[in-house]
Amino acid sequence: GDSVTQMEGPVTLSEEAFLTINCTYTATGYPSLFWYVQYPGEGLQLLLKATKADDKGSNKGFEATYRKETTSFHLEKGSVQVSDSAVYFCALTPPRGSQGNLIFGKGTKLSVKP
Amino acid sequence: DGGITQSPKYLFRKEGQNVTLSCEQNLNHDAMYWYRQDPGQGLRLIYYSQIVNDFQKGDIAEGYSVSREKKESFPLTVTSAQKNPTAFYLCASSRQSLSRGTYNEQFFGPGTRLTVL
Repeated sequence: GDSVTQMEGPVTLSEEAFLTINCTYTATGYPSLFWYVQYPGEGLQLLLKATKADDKGSNKGFEATYRKETTSFHLEKGSVQVSDSAVYFCALTPPRGSQGNLIFGKGTKLSVKP
Repeated sequence: DGGITQSPKYLFRKEGQNVTLSCEQNLNHDAMYWYRQDPGQGLRLIYYSQIVNDFQKGDIAEGYSVSREKKESFPLTVTSAQKNPTAFYLCASSRQSLSRGTYNEQFFGPGTRLTVL
């Protein structure tokens, strides 16, 4: 079945460091891909999305490119801040599904130190 | 302000008891979802509803029940049949997907942390 695999954390970086969180997926056809962020004690917020191959989603300095050839959607940010400390989830919605369900990776906890 | 509210924020339950978690949205969304979050496990879908008076099981529905009597409300009952109910529960809603392959953003509530004593 459809699935998402993302790098295990926790990831600890110093402020202004470069961030990459790897995400790969398994799906039939062309799913839509998403990154969600969860700040401590809160629900999830959509960070960015891409709905077709080669699309680049971007928001708040974060970027991810939908790579069909490598079935990947890696999250990157050039210079992280302490306020970026959170758990990041990669997710997909299957192309055949009409109900809009999301399939999530296990999440990657990011801690940014001053 | 529009949004999704969940209550209570923290809930404690004795073994053998049923408990109901509340989820309310004022976004006029047709679709609503319940997810369970465990440490290191990501989110897993429990139940979802695309329209009032209709709902479907997700991947881990056993031991849970839901109702959708009103568009704004989608309460989740954790029954005594759920063997390991301690977890963080998240409710979400979205506009209804009108065709296959389309996606409408899911908006999440702040969650309810359930602990079985």
